[in-house]
Amino acid sequence: GNSVTQMEGPVTLSEEAFLTINCTYTATGYPSLFWYVQYPGEGLQLLLKATKADDKGSNKGFEATYRKETTSFHLEKGSVQVSDSAVYFCALSTYNQGGKLIFGQGTELSVKP
Amino acid sequence: EAGVAQSPRYKIIEKRQSVAFWCNPISGHATLYWYQQILGQGPKLLIQFQNNGVVDDSQLPKDRFSAERLKGVDSTLKIQPAKLEDSAVYLCASSPLGDYEQYFGPGTRLTVT
Repeated sequence: GNSVTQMEGPVTLSEEAFLTINCTYTATGYPSLFWYVQYPGEGLQLLLKATKADDKGSNKGFEATYRKETTSFHLEKGSVQVSDSAVYFCALSTYNQGGKLIFGQGTELSVKP
Repeated sequence: EAGVAQSPRYKIIEKRQSVAFWCNPISGHATLYWYQQILGQGPKLLIQFQNNGVVDDSQLPKDRFSAERLKGVDSTLKIQPAKLEDSAVYLCASSPLGDYEQYFGPGTRLTVT
């Protein structure tokens, strides 16, 4: 079945450091890929998405490129801020499964000043 | 535009008791999802509605969980009787018909003692 695997956390970085959170997926068909973020005490928010191979999603300085050949959708940011501290979830959805989201286990990011 | 509303935000019950959660999706969104998020894991779909019909309830423990969306708008999720392993955050999400971008509510944190 379809699945998503994320790098395990927690990840601790200093402010202005470069961030990469790895995400790989297994899916039949052509999934859409998403990164959601969950700030402390808040609900899930869509951070970015990509709907086809080679698409790049971007938002708030974060980027991720849909790589079909490596079945990956790694999240990157060039310079993290303390306010980026949150849990990040990679997810996929497919048309033949009605659009439900299948999530990875989440990666907790802590950014220190 | 108002977001997805959920209530209550927190609930503590004893095992074998019953509990109900309520969700009001974004106005006009045809599809409604209930997810269960156990601590340290990504959300997992329990049930998906399109208007007032069930699209996917394959992961819903039907011996104790039930859900309804009678008028195709708001929805309730019930657990009866609750078990310790039901302690989790219950997330409601909605999306427009044919759109895989889902909008999440703040969630209900359930603790079963």
